[in-house]
Amino acid sequence: DTGVSQNPRHKITKRGQNVTFRCDPISEHNRLYWYRQTLGQGPEFLTYFQNEAQLEKSRLLSDRFSAERPKGSFSTLEIQRTEQGDSAMYLCASSLDQDRSTYEQYFGPGTRLTVT
Amino acid sequence: KQEVTQIPAALSVPEGENLVLNCSFTDSAIYNLQWFRQDPGKGLTSLLLIQSSQREQTSGRLNASLDKSSGRSTLYIAASQPGDSATYLCAVDPYSGGGADGLTFGKGTHLIIQP
Repeated sequence: DTGVSQNPRHKITKRGQNVTFRCDPISEHNRLYWYRQTLGQGPEFLTYFQNEAQLEKSRLLSDRFSAERPKGSFSTLEIQRTEQGDSAMYLCASSLDQDRSTYEQYFGPGTRLTVT
Repeated sequence: KQEVTQIPAALSVPEGENLVLNCSFTDSAIYNLQWFRQDPGKGLTSLLLIQSSQREQTSGRLNASLDKSSGRSTLYIAASQPGDSATYLCAVDPYSGGGADGLTFGKGTHLIIQP
């Protein structure tokens, strides 16, 4: 399978704990995005990487959130001191940046976070 | 700030009917528009992408149109099947050098096709 993969698929944690999610993009894709989706809503943009550089962050990304993409390959999203309001589906997407690219984004299956 | 609205929020139709899902956006300066399908508890599957210079795209029983000047897109599903039941999301990519700001999504249309 050469699609976007995310791990874990489900995470249950207690309030105040730290959690980390991983995203593996499509191998040749140099752009990687993180989104958050709550029940009944569309996904909301969190942050974006061009290769290993984090170029854009949404105001939704509080100081408790940090994302990395070492060597421009997989990415991790860490949430520190989780709160119940962090409960959501965290989606990763990737796209290809090249001449005449449509920048079509391909999404992974998501990580469902439940904070108790 | 770009806002995307999808109408209707929910739709239930008998199998075999043709149907239209609507999407509107407030800022016409977009790079492209994507339609996605999302099954319950799952990720997003890209259905169609229309670039800003295009008017429509077709894939099988799906046809998506784009009227950028009026800020509207429609997704037409022909001969609907129970397997089409899902939430359909519309998303616009802002004109900012191509994809750097993330997609702006609507809340989706929850579609049920009755057997």
